[in-house]
Amino acid sequence: AQSVTQPDIHITVSEGASLELRCNYSYGATPYLFWYVQSPGQGLQLLLKYFSGDTLVQGIKGFEAEFKRSQSSFNLRKPSVHWSDAAEYFCAVGASNDYKLSFGAGTTVTVRA
Amino acid sequence: GAGVSQTPSNKVTEKGKYVELRCDPISGHTALYWYRQSLGQGPEFLIYFQGTGAADDSGLPNDRFFAVRPEGSVSTLKIQRTERGDSAVYLCASSLTGEETQYFGPGTRLLVL
Repeated sequence: AQSVTQPDIHITVSEGASLELRCNYSYGATPYLFWYVQSPGQGLQLLLKYFSGDTLVQGIKGFEAEFKRSQSSFNLRKPSVHWSDAAEYFCAVGASNDYKLSFGAGTTVTVRA
Repeated sequence: GAGVSQTPSNKVTEKGKYVELRCDPISGHTALYWYRQSLGQGPEFLIYFQGTGAADDSGLPNDRFFAVRPEGSVSTLKIQRTERGDSAVYLCASSLTGEETQYFGPGTRLLVL
């Protein structure tokens, strides 16, 4: 069974600073990897996904993530955060033969002025 | 186009009552998923539909939970004899065929008093 660990429960970052959110997964085969963002009272919005190919993937809102098979990681990055990036971020793993997603517990991002 | 919609957005009920939560997937999506998100946690898989049939209901916690999708579009999650521990946000997602990205609705926040 697949699982996801997001080691950081809460991160505070200054507006304009860079952001990196960590995600480690456990899965035997090649995973499908996702990052979703959830603003208060909202549903999950897909930021980006990795299925295969180039291990550096670009997403919406200026986010990118890099798949590193050797480290079982899929960390999310943004070079310069905006106040509107304050939200909860979830990493998820799926597979081609297992349709359900397994989510991490999430990382809450606070942006200070 | 329209995204996944869920009704009601909020539901307050008393312990022991029956509730129904509705999900309207994106038009044309054959795959539909239900997840439950408890406070401070990531979403947890409940059930997956491919068309009208439940292809995987391994995440349903017990026999008080049941879901249907009679015409392969709208789905209803039904909870009998609700318990306080059922309080959570219930998320619905859909995808085109089951192997693509899942798009989430805004969720139904269920509170059992």
